[in-house]
Amino acid sequence: EAGVAQSPRYKIIEKRQSVAFWCNPISGHATLYWYQQILGQGPKLLIQFQNNGVVDDSQLPKDRFSAERLKGVDSTLKIQPAKLEDSAVYLCASSRGQLQETQYFGPGTRLLVL
Amino acid sequence: DQQVKQNSPSLSVQEGRISILNCDYTNSMFDYFLWYKKYPAEGPTFLISISSIKDKNEDGRFTVFLNKSAKHLSLHIVPSQPGDSAVYFCAARGETSGSRLTFGEGTQLTVNP
Repeated sequence: EAGVAQSPRYKIIEKRQSVAFWCNPISGHATLYWYQQILGQGPKLLIQFQNNGVVDDSQLPKDRFSAERLKGVDSTLKIQPAKLEDSAVYLCASSRGQLQETQYFGPGTRLLVL
Repeated sequence: DQQVKQNSPSLSVQEGRISILNCDYTNSMFDYFLWYKKYPAEGPTFLISISSIKDKNEDGRFTVFLNKSAKHLSLHIVPSQPGDSAVYFCAARGETSGSRLTFGEGTQLTVNP
């Protein structure tokens, strides 16, 4: 069974530029999560999708971050415009359902904003 | 507001000995706790979990203990192996937060041969 795929693995941009990350979850997983992990901290949930609907985006900075999962499979996370403090690893995870289901993480995209 | 804290950024142990990683939480609504392991350049991997109705869960070399009154959990690895060297994250979730995981800062475990 293929794991969670993410691309790109690394991205360097200048502040005020835009960037997008892509995630393909494990086949059949209905729930998809985007986490932000700043250096020295644990991952923090940005947004959770159940199929193509948003379940939880309470911690997403909506003035600059957006995410979509139009067909209920893969997902994109966008930052526009980026700030220096957005430098982090962006992790995508998926699970079969919600609540007690184990979340499986992708390798992450490491973003550096200069 | 750091609801899940891992106060030790790093831990070093000898191969074959016990590793004990600690985690404290403040939110009394948390009812499910997990440990994830993370190698460099990889995403976190689920290791073991425990529900708040239990005080111990064991899986091979890994045991998680939960002390609800102290709001404290710990992960024991016995015996420790060099391949266990990784960052270990404690995570928690509760009914009011759905499936959202709240993570601690992580502890870097180094097992020396």
